Amino acid sequence: DAGVIQSPRHEVTEMGQEVTLRCKPISGHNSLFWYRQTMMRGLELLIYFNNNVPIDDSGMPEDRFSAKMPNASFSTLKIQPSEPRDSAVYFCASSFRQGRNTEAFFGQGTRLTVV
Amino acid sequence: AQSVTQPDIHITVSEGASLELRCNYSYGATPYLFWYVQSPGQGLQLLLKYFSGDTLVQGIKGFEAEFKRSQSSFNLRKPSVHWSDAAEYFCAVGPSYLTGTASKLTFGTGTRLQVTL
Repeated sequence: DAGVIQSPRHEVTEMGQEVTLRCKPISGHNSLFWYRQTMMRGLELLIYFNNNVPIDDSGMPEDRFSAKMPNASFSTLKIQPSEPRDSAVYFCASSFRQGRNTEAFFGQGTRLTVV
Repeated sequence: AQSVTQPDIHITVSEGASLELRCNYSYGATPYLFWYVQSPGQGLQLLLKYFSGDTLVQGIKGFEAEFKRSQSSFNLRKPSVHWSDAAEYFCAVGPSYLTGTASKLTFGTGTRLQVTL
């Protein structure tokens, strides 16, 4: 398996523009997580899905952020409009969860810079 | 609420020296504990995990960690550090079983390891 695939790896955009980050989880995994990593706040969980359904979005900073998982093999994280303070590395992770918890496998991240 | 504390932000060790990275957690039930490593520009890679059983857990790359319930700790160790171990290390805690919405992992703030030659 190729692992969790994120695209793009790097994104530079102007303030006010819409940004869409993409994630393909590992085949067969039924949970998907979006994390944000910054120097100031470390690694924060934004939202996670179980069987394509959003379970906990309490970490989503504000209404400008939205995430979707239309099927088991694809998820998007959208920021509209983007702001400079959204600059961070965004990670997607997936895992297989059924009763017992298991580890999450991370993608290589998308480094977002909003200027 | 679950939480993880990694008290050391930055550690420097000489190549060949032993290493111990500290992790303390707060969790009301049986925790599921992890150590991840992040190399520059890369995602997080799982080093090892503890769920139950033997409290000394062996992981990849020669790392091990010991779960001490009485101290709420899960410290990461390596007897002899290699220059390639320079990276950032994250401890994480989560529930061992799914309990409604409480199935997410909580990460510590990380410890950056520098290895001198």
